[in-house]
Amino acid sequence: QSALTQPASVSGSPGQSITISCTGTSSDIGGYNYVSWYQQHPGKAPKLIIYDVTTRPSGVSNRFSGSKSGNTASLTVSGLQAEDEAIFYCSSYTSSSTPVFGGGTKLTVL
Amino acid sequence: QVQLVQSGAEVKKPGASVKISCKASGYTLTGYFMHWVRQAPGQGLEWMGWINPNSGYTRYAQKFQGRVTMTRDTSIRTAYMELSGLTSDDTAVYYCARGNPLVRGIIYYYDHWGQGALVPVSS
Repeated sequence: QSALTQPASVSGSPGQSITISCTGTSSDIGGYNYVSWYQQHPGKAPKLIIYDVTTRPSGVSNRFSGSKSGNTASLTVSGLQAEDEAIFYCSSYTSSSTPVFGGGTKLTVL
Repeated sequence: QVQLVQSGAEVKKPGASVKISCKASGYTLTGYFMHWVRQAPGQGLEWMGWINPNSGYTRYAQKFQGRVTMTRDTSIRTAYMELSGLTSDDTAVYYCARGNPLVRGIIYYYDHWGQGALVPVSS
């Protein structure tokens, strides 16, 4: 199973919005509504911020939102804050009944 | 609150095995899948497998078949991951991560993570 494709980096200024894409195939993202997103700060464990494509866990800021169209899922971060700077990973259920991760996207807040 | 506390870092030599523990608190271990995910230095996340703590049933990533064993001891609310035949390519931080509730069937998301256990493999 090939990794999902994410841009290596994205950037934005405080207060702006950014979107991170995550592209897969009909055997993963396109076939199931089981996409999740994780935020990882340096030296820390990943944190779940979106699951089931659009659902935010309790306690996660509503500045994070998820969506999906066809074989591509997207994470939008609105009202960028300095603390949002991190690496973001997407993940999806696959037709092999196993998961696949994206390669990660580094978000820089300018 | 939900917590997953892992055993500490372990330095290993090539060919050795490592067994990492993950003690769960704040929830019922047998109600949720438990996954193991690793991260090599400077690299992304790699799923290794899961265990159903209620039944003990496991599913491993093909890459680790024959080398990984996931178990649990429900009496002490602890899950374990043992990886054998270590090489330098296995140098990574190993995480346990709570998955979705068993009642949903396996769908793969990880809502609580352990602090990670660094396993350097070097001669």
